[in-house]
Amino acid sequence: EAGVAQSPRYKIIEKRQSVAFWCNPISGHATLYWYQQILGQGPKLLIQFQNNGVVDDSQLPKDRFSAERLKGVDSTLKIQPAKLEDSAVYLCASSRQALPLETQYFGPGTRLLVL
Amino acid sequence: SQQGEEDPQALSIQEGENATMNCSYKTSINNLQWYRQNSGRGLVHLILIRSNEREKHSGRLRVTLDTSKKSSSLLITASRAADTASYFCATVGGTSYGKLTFGQGTILTVHP
Repeated sequence: EAGVAQSPRYKIIEKRQSVAFWCNPISGHATLYWYQQILGQGPKLLIQFQNNGVVDDSQLPKDRFSAERLKGVDSTLKIQPAKLEDSAVYLCASSRQALPLETQYFGPGTRLLVL
Repeated sequence: SQQGEEDPQALSIQEGENATMNCSYKTSINNLQWYRQNSGRGLVHLILIRSNEREKHSGRLRVTLDTSKKSSSLLITASRAADTASYFCATVGGTSYGKLTFGQGTILTVHP
């Protein structure tokens, strides 16, 4: 079974530029998550989708971050404009359903550096 | 905000020794999970313990949960150099839709 795919793996941009990340979840997984992991910290949930609807985006900085999951499969996360503090690893995860006992499977992440 | 706090922040041991990591959390939970993250790699799920369970085993891993103290511990027995990684606990709330709230993590180094 193929895992969660993410691209790009690395990205370096200057502040105020825009950047987009892509995620392809495990086939058949209805739930998709985007996490932000700042160096030295645990991941923090940014947004959670169930199919193509948003379940939780309470910690998404909506003035600069946006995410979509068209057709309920792939997802993109965008930052516009980026700030220095956005430097982090962005992890995508998926699970079969948005239920407490479901295991989440994580992709390798996209490491973003904002200069 | 981070739910859990883990201690120690870093742990260094020799191969063959046991490693114990602790996690504390603040609110009621449905379950608590432990994840491992190797350098440069994504997170890998290790074990899940439900709120009505007190202890769970998986291979060399043993997890305990004390809901009265809102704490959990992960024991890795007979550690190997390949166990070198960061270990995170993550809680799932009773009313959440599977949302994981992670602790800060413990960096484990196992010396050959």
